[in-house]
Amino acid sequence: SQKIEQNSEALNIQEGKTATLTCNYTNYSPAYLQWYRQDPGRGPVFLLLIRENEKEKRKERLKVTFDTTLKQSLFHITASQPADSATYLCALVLYSGGGADGLTFGKGTHLIIQP
Amino acid sequence: DAGVTQSPTHLIKTRGQQVTLRCSPKSGHDTVSWYQQALGQGPQFIFQYYEEEERQRGNFPDRFSGHQFPNYSSELNVNALLLGDSALYLCASSLVPGLYASYNEQFFGPGTRLTVL
Repeated sequence: SQKIEQNSEALNIQEGKTATLTCNYTNYSPAYLQWYRQDPGRGPVFLLLIRENEKEKRKERLKVTFDTTLKQSLFHITASQPADSATYLCALVLYSGGGADGLTFGKGTHLIIQP
Repeated sequence: DAGVTQSPTHLIKTRGQQVTLRCSPKSGHDTVSWYQQALGQGPQFIFQYYEEEERQRGNFPDRFSGHQFPNYSSELNVNALLLGDSALYLCASSLVPGLYASYNEQFFGPGTRLTVL
């Protein structure tokens, strides 16, 4: 069966360290992969998008990698801050009849940055 | 720019009732997608509207239907509500239209929290 797995338990990181979040998928062949941040009671906010032919993408303190052989994406936040505490969602974008299906999300990882 | 707006913020219904949720996309966006997010889960794709037609649909029963208006705003209708329909309903819009929308950044609204008793 098709599955997307993210660290389902909360990830506790000390302020200033690098937080690394994992997104593993099985039986999908995504065209793109997106990462979103979601705060309690709010809608997800787009962070980064990476295409299947890209290995790495960076934006300020954020870095995402995409390994289609391992079927894995890693999301890194360097120099983490308490304000980075949130749930981070991985979303796959699948091909469908020349276009793209709606996003297929993982359950998300709850990240806590401790001062 | 107001971003994506949704109404109402919260809603309480009883089993068997019908509900209509509303969404206004971000200015300049003409593609609207709806997602259901149960507590502790990631959002699940319900359907996408473009040019007033349903273009893509996720694995949801026919009790879930929608509409898009000429001004690009959209409604989500759910009939014969079940307890399991309790969730946060999210609307997202995209600058890139139609079938290619999901290849790009999605702008989400704050959601409508639906509770079915």
